[in-house]
Amino acid sequence: QSALTQPRSVSGSPGQSVTISCTGTSSDIGRFNYVSWYQQHPGKAPKLMIYDVTKRPSGVPDRFSGSKSGNEASLTISGLQADDEADYFCSSYAGSYTRVFGTGTKVTVL
Amino acid sequence: EAQLVESGGGLIQPGGSLRLSCAASGFKVSSNYMTWVRQAPGEGLEWVSIIYSAGDTYYADAVKGRFTISRDNSVNTVYLQMTSLKVEDTALYYCAKGYTFAYDSFDTWGQGTLVTVSS
Repeated sequence: QSALTQPRSVSGSPGQSVTISCTGTSSDIGRFNYVSWYQQHPGKAPKLMIYDVTKRPSGVPDRFSGSKSGNEASLTISGLQADDEADYFCSSYAGSYTRVFGTGTKVTVL
Repeated sequence: EAQLVESGGGLIQPGGSLRLSCAASGFKVSSNYMTWVRQAPGEGLEWVSIIYSAGDTYYADAVKGRFTISRDNSVNTVYLQMTSLKVEDTALYYCAKGYTFAYDSFDTWGQGTLVTVSS
């Protein structure tokens, strides 16, 4: 199972919006609506930010939103804040009870 | 509040075996799907294995036949038995709990336990 493809890095100024792409195949993202996004600060465990493509767990700000089109999913962070600076990983269910993670994207707040 | 604490990592020679533990509190591992995810130094996340509430287990191709996930409901703990370890298994191993409202997402993670495979 190959990792989902994400840009290595994205950046934006405070208050701006950034979008992270996550490209998979017709066997994972394209086939299932089970895409999740995780935020990971340095030295910390991942934190669930988005599940089922567009849903946010309780406590996650609505500045974070997810979407999907075809084999590509996206995470948009609006109103960028300093604490949003972190690594972000997508994941997708890939059938047969397996899942695959993305390569990860470093978000830098300028 | 749900919490997970991993243990059992360490330095091991190639070909060796190690058992990781993931002690849970605040919820029952038997009622949730539980997974192991690893992260090599400076790298991304890689799914390793999962155990569902019914007890069925699944593995990534990279570890199939070498790793075994299990749980002990009496001590509310999930395990990962690792055998025939390879240098490429070196990583921080996280245990995570399935999110109740999602089919395939993980909302509670431990801090990880480091496994280093080296001669």
